[in-house]
Amino acid sequence: DTEVTQTPKHLVMGMTNKKSLKCEQHMGHRAMYWYKQKAKKPPELMFVYSYEKLSINESVPSRFSPECPNSSLLNLHLHALQPEDSALYLCASSQETGTQPQHFGDGTRLSIL
Amino acid sequence: GNSVTQMEGPVTLSEEAFLTINCTYTATGYPSLFWYVQYPGEGLQLLLKATKADDKGSNKGFEATYRKETTSFHLEKGSVQVSDSAVYFCALTRKSGATNKLIFGTGTLLAVQP
Repeated sequence: DTEVTQTPKHLVMGMTNKKSLKCEQHMGHRAMYWYKQKAKKPPELMFVYSYEKLSINESVPSRFSPECPNSSLLNLHLHALQPEDSALYLCASSQETGTQPQHFGDGTRLSIL
Repeated sequence: GNSVTQMEGPVTLSEEAFLTINCTYTATGYPSLFWYVQYPGEGLQLLLKATKADDKGSNKGFEATYRKETTSFHLEKGSVQVSDSAVYFCALTRKSGATNKLIFGTGTLLAVQP
């Protein structure tokens, strides 16, 4: 069983919708990450939060808006997405933003109509 | 820059065969090295890790040794099972400023046939 929980597991939305992806961990980790993974490709880093502050934004379009309400939760707000944004979105966490291993959730499979 | 190169897949093996998936890296200094596994429809799971030269990571019958002289971290298993069918990612992480980044290889699909 994964220790990083992501909801929903699947999401289908139109290009004008607003939705949110949620991620939760109870391992006491202070770093949390969002990745995007297209089919047959490795994950691509989108955002990093360290101690609830955004520390890395990998030039992600503003239609993706991350939020870290507390040390256990990470959200990704979606608005006006494009069909090419269809992908698996993975959340991960690690003790801190050092070289400790990252632990991944099972992801949200997002389809944009 | 830092990068990871993995052998191209897919790798197709019969059950109980010996597995090697090659991984080499380019990095300055001393990165930490990881193997992650992704089963169909799931996220990535940490399979094993090594943090310094000559470390051997092992888990579930898989092993990999951090070889600084050859900048390699090859994954091996003596006898694969059908349940090992998955995509395997080699990765390194180094602290960049105040934050680490995981740098992945392209992934290698392993298909084990009964």
